Amino acid sequence: QSVLTQPPSVSGAPGQRVTISCTGSSSNIGANFDVHWYQQLPGTAPKLLIYVNTNRPSGVPDRFSGSKSGTSASLAITGLQAEDEADYYCQSYDSSLSGSGVVFGGGTKLTVL
Amino acid sequence: QVQLQESGPGLVKPSETLSLTCSVSGVSINSYYWSWIRQPPGKGLEWIGCVYFSGSTNYSPSLKSRVTISIDTSRKQVSLRLNSVTAADTAVYFCASTTFRGGKPERFDYWGQGTLVTVSS
Repeated sequence: QSVLTQPPSVSGAPGQRVTISCTGSSSNIGANFDVHWYQQLPGTAPKLLIYVNTNRPSGVPDRFSGSKSGTSASLAITGLQAEDEADYYCQSYDSSLSGSGVVFGGGTKLTVL
Repeated sequence: QVQLQESGPGLVKPSETLSLTCSVSGVSINSYYWSWIRQPPGKGLEWIGCVYFSGSTNYSPSLKSRVTISIDTSRKQVSLRLNSVTAADTAVYFCASTTFRGGKPERFDYWGQGTLVTVSS
């Protein structure tokens, strides 16, 4: 069971908009720790997609955007393309009585119909 | 550009120690912290821990008792040792550059391709 909760799968047709949610708690996202998103294409290593909630690294298309509010964050992808089919992971930091460290969501598989 | 290359045995016996090395190129090893992250087959990502060029380390609370991460700045290598392994430690192991902020690991900017380690007798 991941500390951050993501839907196992989402899907959309080419050109559509999809969103992926990432739900945390008061010990991570709600504690004002930032959220980052990674894209993992099949058979490859994850790639940083969004950092510090809303920022895109150089080379990431502006079709990808991130937001954060309260204990949750979201990744939005507009103008869906076949090449966007991948697994997406959110990541933050968690600090609780049982310890502190980096935490990931369980991942969301995006299928482009 | 930053390049990370993991290497080490692909098969480890139960109860033994898993040892991997990450070779860093294209950037000063002093520029980042360096993390190990793993991914069991078909599952999600798990952060193991990280090291700075000074030797300072941070570990995941769930793995802390079995993990040692070290750095050799002269060789530009980061090493992972995980002892007393079981089948549950079978995973692809990635090394990744780690941006720190506020004294905490924040995000992973660059990743190696990963190496699969299977724990089996």
